[in-house]
Amino acid sequence: QLQLQESGSGLVKPSETLSLTCAVSGGSINSGHYSWTWIRRPLGKGLEWIGLVYHDGNTYYDPSLRRRVTISIDRSNNLFSLSLTSVTTADTAVYFCARGDYSNDSGWYFDLWGRGILVTVSS
Amino acid sequence: DIQMTQSPSSLSASVGDRVTITCRASQYINSLLSWYQEKPGKAPNLLIYGASTLQRGVPSRFSGSGSETDFTLTINNLQPEDSATYYCQQGYSLYTFGQGTKLEIK
Repeated sequence: QLQLQESGSGLVKPSETLSLTCAVSGGSINSGHYSWTWIRRPLGKGLEWIGLVYHDGNTYYDPSLRRRVTISIDRSNNLFSLSLTSVTTADTAVYFCARGDYSNDSGWYFDLWGRGILVTVSS
Repeated sequence: DIQMTQSPSSLSASVGDRVTITCRASQYINSLLSWYQEKPGKAPNLLIYGASTLQRGVPSRFSGSGSETDFTLTINNLQPEDSATYYCQQGYSLYTFGQGTKLEIK
């Protein structure tokens, strides 16, 4: 069974860069069928899609975060990463990594998720 | 951007009840809608995709319906372990989630 596990710093200072990694185990990240995605849930709010990366390195980002986000894939180590620059307290959230699957009848949906990691932006 | 509006934002029900959560898209999304269950400290769980297809391993008391802009998630014979927050998500144009519905079991 494929599993995803987030890791990274749980505390980031304002204006600095948030960096997280998602390790994929029990399966390969090299499948061309899936996308590898970051999603967050600000405290007291709903889920927000951040962006995704495909096995070939192509990326898509939420327009509101595009200027500050980079998602990359490391196929040799079976992981993908999130970088979010110039963070503010509004970026305090639980960050999830997830696998995206697709069909013509269903569109894109997220069938496997990590448990999430709380990142607090505070001085 | 496609906006997703869920209602209610919270509800309370008893074991054995049937509950319905609705999700409305701001524009046409065909049937490209999914539902998720989130419990504190756990990975969110995909329940339904394609508006009505039950994900493998999800109990059959969960069901989804709807198309175009209006969708529902129904939970029959409510169980204590169904206490969670439920989200809808459109997969038609990028990805947008509803704001969530917190379900409490009395």
